[in-house]
Amino acid sequence: AQSVTQLGSHVSVSEGALVLLRCNYSSSVPPYLFWYVQYPNQGLQLLLKYTSAATLVKGINGFEAEFKKSETSFHLTKPSAHMSDAAEYFCAVSDQEGAQKLVFGQGTRLTINP
Amino acid sequence: GAGVSQTPSNKVTEKGKYVELRCDPISGHTALYWYRQSLGQGPEFLIYFQGTGAADDSGLPNDRFFAVRPEGSVSTLKIQRTERGDSAVYLCASSLTLLGQGAQTEAFFGQGTRLTVV
Repeated sequence: AQSVTQLGSHVSVSEGALVLLRCNYSSSVPPYLFWYVQYPNQGLQLLLKYTSAATLVKGINGFEAEFKKSETSFHLTKPSAHMSDAAEYFCAVSDQEGAQKLVFGQGTRLTINP
Repeated sequence: GAGVSQTPSNKVTEKGKYVELRCDPISGHTALYWYRQSLGQGPEFLIYFQGTGAADDSGLPNDRFFAVRPEGSVSTLKIQRTERGDSAVYLCASSLTLLGQGAQTEAFFGQGTRLTVV
């Protein structure tokens, strides 16, 4: 069975500061990993995904994530936070290449302080 | 349409009643997924359709939940004898799944239907 743990249900950073959202996964097979963002009253939007092509994955809006097999981690980072980054972020894992049957973490709410 | 459309956006029903939630996927998308998101939790997989057939329904919590996609496009999630614990946001997503190109697909999510059972 697969699972995802997101460390920190709430993260608060100042505008311009580094954003780091932590995600650790458990999978018995090589995983496919995803980060989604959910803005208020909107659907989930894919930020980026890891599908074994490269361990450092770049996504939209300046976000990137690094797959570290030895640490079973897939942390999401952004060098400089913007007010518009305030949202809920979800890490997800799948044992299939496509988006079928994603297992999501509990989410991390990111707040940006001016 | 331009995106995944879910109707209604909000539904309040009494305990024990039957409800139907509708999902209109992006035109041409062959794969359709239903997820349930309880307050403060991440989405939880319910069922996945490839075309008209349910390829994986292992996430449906019990036999009160049922979903159909008769023509391979619109899908309806049906909940019988609703319980207060069914209250959640029900999310639908669709993707263009191409054989051998699964890594390139992305699931597009709708805004969800907020179901409240009172």
